Amino acid sequence: GESVGLHLPTLSVQEGDNSIINCAYSNSASDYFIWYKQESGKGPQFIIDIRSNMDKRQGQRVTVLLNKTVKHLSLQIAATQPGDSAVYFCAEAGGSQGNLIFGKGTKLSVKP
Amino acid sequence: NAGVMQNPRHLVRRRGQEARLRCSPMKGHSHVYWYRQLPEEGLKFMVYLQKENIIDESGMPKERFSAEFPKEGPSILRIQQVVRGDSAAYFCASSGQGLNEQFFGPGTRLTVL
Repeated sequence: GESVGLHLPTLSVQEGDNSIINCAYSNSASDYFIWYKQESGKGPQFIIDIRSNMDKRQGQRVTVLLNKTVKHLSLQIAATQPGDSAVYFCAEAGGSQGNLIFGKGTKLSVKP
Repeated sequence: NAGVMQNPRHLVRRRGQEARLRCSPMKGHSHVYWYRQLPEEGLKFMVYLQKENIIDESGMPKERFSAEFPKEGPSILRIQQVVRGDSAAYFCASSGQGLNEQFFGPGTRLTVL
């Protein structure tokens, strides 16, 4: 079946460095993608989204890149901070009526 | 500026009992989604509701699970005759347009003994 997946299950970075979290999706019909951050014991927190008519979108310290040719999505976090430590999920708007399809997540650890 | 609210935050049930999970969407949102998350995994879609209507229940198990979103009051996810495999975190999300941008609640962690 079609699903969203992630390349790396864990990522460890030094505080102040940039982080890049990757995601591969397989449903070429998906037209909307979201990155969520989930801290332990909490619900997913919306970070940034992008639609398929764009290839880049920037937020505060975060950038999402979309490569539709290879069906790849990435989240870049600039100047990573300890508070960025969490599990990051990409999700795509797939199926009918707007339900989201989530990947398994990448755990980001920030070393001080 | 209340976000999506869920209660209870933690729920313990014995096998065979019923579990009721409640979700109040963000103010102004009329679309509610329920997801289930097992440890170390991503969220899996269960059901999508609008007021008094089930729009998509393709992710919901056919037996023991039901959901509603009445005209007044919170959305309810009901699990009858719980089994240990139902132990998971259940998240509710809401949106204002029924598509795409969804905001999540803190979840209900169900433990079945």
